[in-house]
Amino acid sequence: LAKTTQPISMDSYEGQEVNITCSHNNIATNDYITWYQQFPSQGPRFIIQGYKTKVTNEVASLFIPADRKSSTLSLPRVSLSDTAVYYCLVGENNDMRFGAGTRLTVKP
Amino acid sequence: EAGVAQSPRYKIIEKRQSVAFWCNPISGHATLYWYQQILGQGPKLLIQFQNNGVVDDSQLPKDRFSAERLKGVDSTLKIQPAKLEDSAVYLCASSFSRDLFNYGYTFGSGTRLTVV
Repeated sequence: LAKTTQPISMDSYEGQEVNITCSHNNIATNDYITWYQQFPSQGPRFIIQGYKTKVTNEVASLFIPADRKSSTLSLPRVSLSDTAVYYCLVGENNDMRFGAGTRLTVKP
Repeated sequence: EAGVAQSPRYKIIEKRQSVAFWCNPISGHATLYWYQQILGQGPKLLIQFQNNGVVDDSQLPKDRFSAERLKGVDSTLKIQPAKLEDSAVYLCASSFSRDLFNYGYTFGSGTRLTVV
């Protein structure tokens, strides 16, 4: 299983763009990258997923370089409600495991 | 669509007692997962079911934890006897299939267990 490394915590201010990078040096050919968001007292919620290059949805963008050894979750113009823990998962189907995640705090 | 339902929401028990958690997945979801999340850590997979069969229980402490999904729908996770270190949130998740790239997980809100 690919091991992932993320910053433990990040701070930002409302309206800023936030980029959270995840390192996964031993990603396998069939692995894909998924990001989840977790608010206190709730289960994780799917944000975005990709295999290579760039993926964008209504919530975030995911940038994956050609070597796929890292990925960056980009949250445009964050608000206070984006304060949460963000998890980067790397794997194939049911082999994905959660790491400790990045605790993002958005300040007014 | 209705989400993943879990009950109870909170439970406090004394060590060495037993406890059971219940999960009802989204209708039609064949794959069901139980996770344990200790405060400050990411969720840890305990067991995965595909319909009513166990796919992966390699991280389930089988001396005290058990889980079943008899009819391939709802599931129960049991701890007997509980230890202080079992204090955690127990999350249930479901997916249409094991192809998480195309279908993803949907999580319930969890059961917060406190063992005193």
